[in-house]
Amino acid sequence: KAGVTQTPRYLIKTRGQQVTLSCSPISGHRSVSWYQQTPGQGLQFLFEYFSETQRNKGNFPGRFSGRQFSNSRSEMNVSTLELGDSALYLCASSLFPGETQYFGPGTRLLVL
Amino acid sequence: AQSVTQLGSHVSVSEGALVLLRCNYSSSVPPYLFWYVQYPNQGLQLLLKYTTGATLVKGINGFEAEFKKSETSFHLTKPSAHMSDAAEYFCAVSDPNFGNEKLTFGTGTRLTIIP
Repeated sequence: KAGVTQTPRYLIKTRGQQVTLSCSPISGHRSVSWYQQTPGQGLQFLFEYFSETQRNKGNFPGRFSGRQFSNSRSEMNVSTLELGDSALYLCASSLFPGETQYFGPGTRLLVL
Repeated sequence: AQSVTQLGSHVSVSEGALVLLRCNYSSSVPPYLFWYVQYPNQGLQLLLKYTTGATLVKGINGFEAEFKKSETSFHLTKPSAHMSDAAEYFCAVSDPNFGNEKLTFGTGTRLTIIP
């Protein structure tokens, strides 16, 4: 069974731009979570989706948003990019909320 | 709020030696506990997890961890280190207040294997 896939793997943007990251969960998994990983803050929870609904949200500004589609694929969007948004963005999927999360390879975003 | 403390941001062991990575958590209710490994430029791979039942949990690649409620610990061990074990290891807990849906991670321990 294929794992979690994330596209693109690498991205370079400039301040003020917006970016959209994509995540395809493991087949059959219906819950998708997003995490941000930075050297300074470590791994931080962004949000979680199930049945196209956001169930939980971490402590991030409104510039960070996401959505989930009927096929469980998810996207996250960051608007008005700041230098501090440079990070590895990890997507994780699980069968249902609360089940074990399996992570994708991440999208590395560099904001210049 | 839950928190996870990983003692030692860097640990070095000789090849063939015991690996011990420490993790302590704070939680008002028994959490689910996880160890993930991250190799350079990759995502997180699940090593093992504790939910309920037997407190000694065996994972992949010869790793195991023991849940000790009285010590609020979930240390990761491997009897004999291999060069391929060099990576960063993260301990995580799930938050019952969020239906175990949100993971809170420790700051990570980078494991170096000395030939």
